[in-house]
Amino acid sequence: EVALVQSGPETKRSGESLRISCQTSGYIFSNYWIAWVRQVPGKGLEWMGVVYPDDSHTRYSPAFQGRVTVSADKFMKTAYLQWDSLEASDTAIYFCARRGVRADPDTGRYFQIGLDYWGQGTLVSVSS
Amino acid sequence: DIQMTQSPSSLSASVGDRVTITCRASQSISSYLNWYQQKPGKAPKFVIYAASSLQSGVPSRFSGSGSGTDFTLTISSLQPEDFATYYCQQSYRTPYTFGQGTKLEIK
Repeated sequence: EVALVQSGPETKRSGESLRISCQTSGYIFSNYWIAWVRQVPGKGLEWMGVVYPDDSHTRYSPAFQGRVTVSADKFMKTAYLQWDSLEASDTAIYFCARRGVRADPDTGRYFQIGLDYWGQGTLVSVSS
Repeated sequence: DIQMTQSPSSLSASVGDRVTITCRASQSISSYLNWYQQKPGKAPKFVIYAASSLQSGVPSRFSGSGSGTDFTLTISSLQPEDFATYYCQQSYRTPYTFGQGTKLEIK
């Protein structure tokens, strides 16, 4: 059974660094993109970036580029989201999620779909 | 970035009603459109991919349609467990942006 289990809630001060994790099981970790999604309490979902564990290739939203780093350790089957210097505006729930893959029944080719499995979320609280 | 706009932002309906939520992309995204359901305090749940394909385990009362820029999510007969917030997301080009959400409430 596929599972993504995130690290626990964090309380930090502005300027501090932080790394949160997303430990996976039940599938071949290296073969699926892992995305990170932010949700400010009471607000909508924001796509932050993705990492492909097999080669650590990453893509970021311009809104988060330079502010966070996404990474993956394929031996630990774990993805990470990291900040070097937190700001109060980083206070939010952060979700990791796996980008699924399907096979086209007509061609047999694989294509990417949406985020089919999600972690439970990690609440990050940053005080100024 | 591709902007995704959902309407309405909120919707009141009764059990048994048929409801439709609309999602519009700021440019053509072919059929690279996903829908998610989120309940308070929970992670989102994957409902539909490729605009109209039902994710495994999702009840058949959910359906999706559309291509290009205009998409819909329809729930044919609302059940109590369907009251939640729904988000569309494009997966055509990074960043894979979400709509702002539609909150479906009990009337």
